[in-house]
Order: sequence, then C-alpha cells, then structure tokens
Amino acid sequence: AQSVTQLDSQVPVFEEAPVELRCNYSSSVSVYLFWYVQYPNQGLQLLLKYLSGSTLVESINGFEAEFNKSQTSFHLRKPSVHISDTAEYFCAVTIITGRRALTFGSGTRLQVQP
Amino acid sequence: EAQVTQNPRYLITVTGKKLTVTCSQNMNHEYMSWYRQDPGLGLRQIYYSMNVEVTDKGDVPEGYKVSRKEKRNFPLILESPSPNQTSLYFCASSPDRYWNTEAFFGQGTRLTVV
Repeated sequence: AQSVTQLDSQVPVFEEAPVELRCNYSSSVSVYLFWYVQYPNQGLQLLLKYLSGSTLVESINGFEAEFNKSQTSFHLRKPSVHISDTAEYFCAVTIITGRRALTFGSGTRLQVQP
Repeated sequence: EAQVTQNPRYLITVTGKKLTVTCSQNMNHEYMSWYRQDPGLGLRQIYYSMNVEVTDKGDVPEGYKVSRKEKRNFPLILESPSPNQTSLYFCASSPDRYWNTEAFFGQGTRLTVV
C-alpha cells in the first residue's frame, strides 16, 4: 500500500520569504503526485500535480514542486510567500495501477506572518 | 456551476442515534469518495465508489456505511455514532479512475457526537 509523509505539521514564515513544504511517499508501484490546498473553512483545491514528463511542475500562483524518484519526494516550494498563502497544504498520491482514490499526508499548516 | 454539495455543514448528535450525511455532485462523475479529517492525521479515506452499486472500503471504514444507488449521490451513513467519529468529513468526486485530474471536494461536514 502507498503512504505519504509530511514531516512538518506547521511552518511559520514571514511575508516575502521563501518556503519549502516537504513531502515523501512510499509505494511499490508508480504513482501520480499532487498538492492540494485547504483555505480556512473550505474544501480542498488542487494546487498542482505530477503525472509524467518534466519533473518540475508549477501552479498559477507561483508554487512549484519537483518530483524526485530516487528520493521519493515531491517537495513544494515558493520563492516569496504572501499573507494570502496562509492555508493547510496536503500532499497526496494515487497509484497508477490502482482503483482507489487519493491517499493524503497529514498536512502542513503554512502560517505567513507580516 | 460544477460542485459537490454536502449536507448538513454542521451536526451535533448523541451516541447511538443514526444519521446520514448526504453528498451530491452535478458533474456526472463516476468516482466518488468519503474522507474524514482529523488534526495531525490528514484526510483518511472511509469508502469509495467506482460507479452505481460499486463501492469498496477505504482505510477507516469501521462504523460507516455507504450506498450508491444513483450516480450523483453518495450518502455516508453512521448507524450508531460514537464519540470517536467526531470529525470533519469531506466528500469528493472525480471523472477518472486514477483521480489524476482535479478532484472536486465538498465544503465539509463537521460532526460532533456527544
């Protein structure tokens, strides 16, 4: 079975500083990888995903993540965060040969301070 | 507007009193899933469905039932709720088997069992 580990439960950072949210996964088969974001009192929204091709994927609001197969990681980065990026971020996987829905990590709460 | 609708948004109930949380999607998606979100644990899958009358257990199915009699609806049933089922519940849907296009999430149902 696949699993996802997010090592940091909370990441405080000042506005305009860079940030990295870490995600590692475990699976015996190939996976698809995702980052979802949850703003306060809302459901989850897709931020970005890796299916195949270029290992660096980007979102429309400046986040990027790089798939590293050898380290089984999919860390999320942003060079300069805004107050509006304050949210909880979830890393998730699905297995390519599977029939189940997304498997999520425990989440990282990003707190951007002025 | 494409959406997943859950009802109710908030519910306080007593131990042992049967309840149903409804979930409906208007996107004609075949694939649906229920998750519970608990602090420090992220989202854990309860049940998922691949089509009408086709459902399967996720990681934490104990104490829950589901049904899929129509494509658009996927209710979650707690026949005898207990306090350890106090949680935030999300319903999600996807147009594809591997959930590798964007999954759509409801706004969540916050359940308290006393």
